Amino acid sequence: KAGVTQTPRYLIKTRGQQVTLSCSPISGHRSVSWYQQTPGQGLQFLFEYFSETQRNKGNFPGRFSGRQFSNSRSEMNVSTLELGDSALYLCASTKGQGAGNTIYFGEGSWLTVV
Amino acid sequence: QKEVEQDPGPLSVPEGAIVSLNCTYSNSAFQYFMWYRQYSRKGPELLMYTYSSGNKEDGRFTAQVDKSSKYISLFIRDSQPSDSATYLCAMSAPNSGGSNYKLTFGKGTLLTVNP
Repeated sequence: KAGVTQTPRYLIKTRGQQVTLSCSPISGHRSVSWYQQTPGQGLQFLFEYFSETQRNKGNFPGRFSGRQFSNSRSEMNVSTLELGDSALYLCASTKGQGAGNTIYFGEGSWLTVV
Repeated sequence: QKEVEQDPGPLSVPEGAIVSLNCTYSNSAFQYFMWYRQYSRKGPELLMYTYSSGNKEDGRFTAQVDKSSKYISLFIRDSQPSDSATYLCAMSAPNSGGSNYKLTFGKGTLLTVNP
């Protein structure tokens, strides 16, 4: 069974640019969530999508956005990049319904802003 | 006060040692508790998942949850060099539909097991 797939794995962007990251969840999983991981703040929840609808959003500025497609694949976008956006961006998927769902993570996309 | 507190370590032990990793939390709504292992430059890998107070064992790993004290632990028996990684505790509360989908993580504990 294929795991959560994220692309690209590594990228370097310049301050002020925007970036789009992609995530394909495990087959059959309808919930996709995104996390940012930095050495200082650890893993922080960005947002979660289920059936193309954003169900919850973390405490991040509006420059961070996402969407989910009908096939459950998801993208997140960061506009007007800042140096502090350099981080590992992790996508996670779960079935999304029922209690106690197991949440699986992808390998992440390493973003460096210069 | 952070919702989840985890001692960042680093923790260095000899091969074969018993390792104890701990997290405390303040949000009594948390019902699901997980431990993830993260190797350098990799995504977190789910190790253990529990949703009730008590112990759960899986091979060399034992997860312990004490909801009354808001305290969870992960024990690793007969630790191996391959266990060297960052260990993250995570927890979540059910939404109105009973599902859980948002994890709150501890900062992670860096463990090194020396041969």
